[in-house]
Amino acid sequence: AQSVSQHNHHVILSEAASLELGCNYSYGGTVNLFWYVQYPGQHLQLLLKYFSGDPLVKGIKGFEAEFIKSKFSFNLRKPSVQWSDTAEYFCAVRFSGNTPLVFGKGTRLSVIA
Amino acid sequence: GAVVSQHPSRVICKSGTSVKIECRSLDFQATTMFWYRQFPKQSLMLMATSNEGSKATYEQGVEKDKFLINHASLTLSTLTVTSAHPEDSSFYICSASVQRGLQEQFFGPGTRLTVL
Repeated sequence: AQSVSQHNHHVILSEAASLELGCNYSYGGTVNLFWYVQYPGQHLQLLLKYFSGDPLVKGIKGFEAEFIKSKFSFNLRKPSVQWSDTAEYFCAVRFSGNTPLVFGKGTRLSVIA
Repeated sequence: GAVVSQHPSRVICKSGTSVKIECRSLDFQATTMFWYRQFPKQSLMLMATSNEGSKATYEQGVEKDKFLINHASLTLSTLTVTSAHPEDSSFYICSASVQRGLQEQFFGPGTRLTVL
């Protein structure tokens, strides 16, 4: 079955620390990759996406992600987190064609002062 | 562009009643709409996929007679939770898809359903 794994359930960081959240997916050929953020009480917002081309993708709010095809990974990074980055982060994958996104279980990020 | 709205944003109902949730694509025509369910502190689980004018395709374990989906037009899909029970309380999120070269999926703000 096609699946998306996010390794970290809950990450706690101090402000200005660097962030890396892991995301791996099961093999499925050509994929489209996404990271979404859900702030407390709010709806999903797209952070960034990868369809093709440069495997290093830059998104909003200073986030970036790198697609490593050989590792089936699409890890999210941010050099210096802020308190306002406290949220739930979801990795999502489209495995083929017009199929719906498959979501990982999410990683809760808590940034403390 | 590519805004998806949901109505209502929050609903509380009594057990045994039915609740209808609307999902609209405001500035584009959605060839496909998806309905997800999110339990507290958990991920989004796909419930069903619907294409305009045809029957929805339900994921395994989702009761089609309980969660009625109607995709009557390219801008509107509805999810009706029939004979709701407390265990149906959840956050329901719709997503609309449009083919613009590459397919993109846009999410609505979600509907919080509480069944008493």
